[in-house]
Amino acid sequence: QKEVEQNSGPLSVPEGAIASLNCTYSDRVSQSFFWYRQYSGKSPELIMSIYSNGDKEDGRFTAQLNKASQYVSLLIRDSQPSDSATYLCAVLDSWGKLQFGAGTQVVVTP
Amino acid sequence: DADVTQTPRNRITKTGKRIMLECSQTKGHDRMYWYRQDPGLGLRLIYYSFDVKDINKGEISDGYSVSRQAQAKFSLSLESAIPNQTALYFCATSGDPKGTSPYNEQFFGPGTRLTVL
Repeated sequence: QKEVEQNSGPLSVPEGAIASLNCTYSDRVSQSFFWYRQYSGKSPELIMSIYSNGDKEDGRFTAQLNKASQYVSLLIRDSQPSDSATYLCAVLDSWGKLQFGAGTQVVVTP
Repeated sequence: DADVTQTPRNRITKTGKRIMLECSQTKGHDRMYWYRQDPGLGLRLIYYSFDVKDINKGEISDGYSVSRQAQAKFSLSLESAIPNQTALYFCATSGDPKGTSPYNEQFFGPGTRLTVL
């Protein structure tokens, strides 16, 4: 079982709609969680960090964390074509290393 | 702007050649990492270093070596390149020089596309 699981997609989202991405993790002691956006052939770009249970909002992005369920999600509101990318969920493990999911591809359709 | 840079950005080489990929950062971070990315396999950690005197193997270190020349520089070497080392290679850094963030976020360089023929 992989330590960080994501649906690979592609997740097709109409322009202007909400994209919902999910991630589960296996290490119960993890404390820090991240979402990265990666365009094809480019490097991962950090878009959200979350540390506490609940919601954290930054512009059109909202990260949600539920440590009891070992679940972290990302919502993208008012999706734009420029949001078309692969979104990587990452979890900081006990040794200070990031464990990455394989990524969810999002395609925003006009 | 504080940044992470990688050289070269693209490299084509032949089987058996020795290759060095270099990473430099001006973020003042103490931790540095090397990853490779293959289609469908996500990011995999090759080596990481939490300070100049600390080097650790990641999940796929075989066939690779590293050198931490200074806090700001971390090099990855392929001693004898083979075709299945063809991949996108990323350097990343993390740390918190100002002591203000609990998150230990990692920031990535632009990547090196390596092709081994």
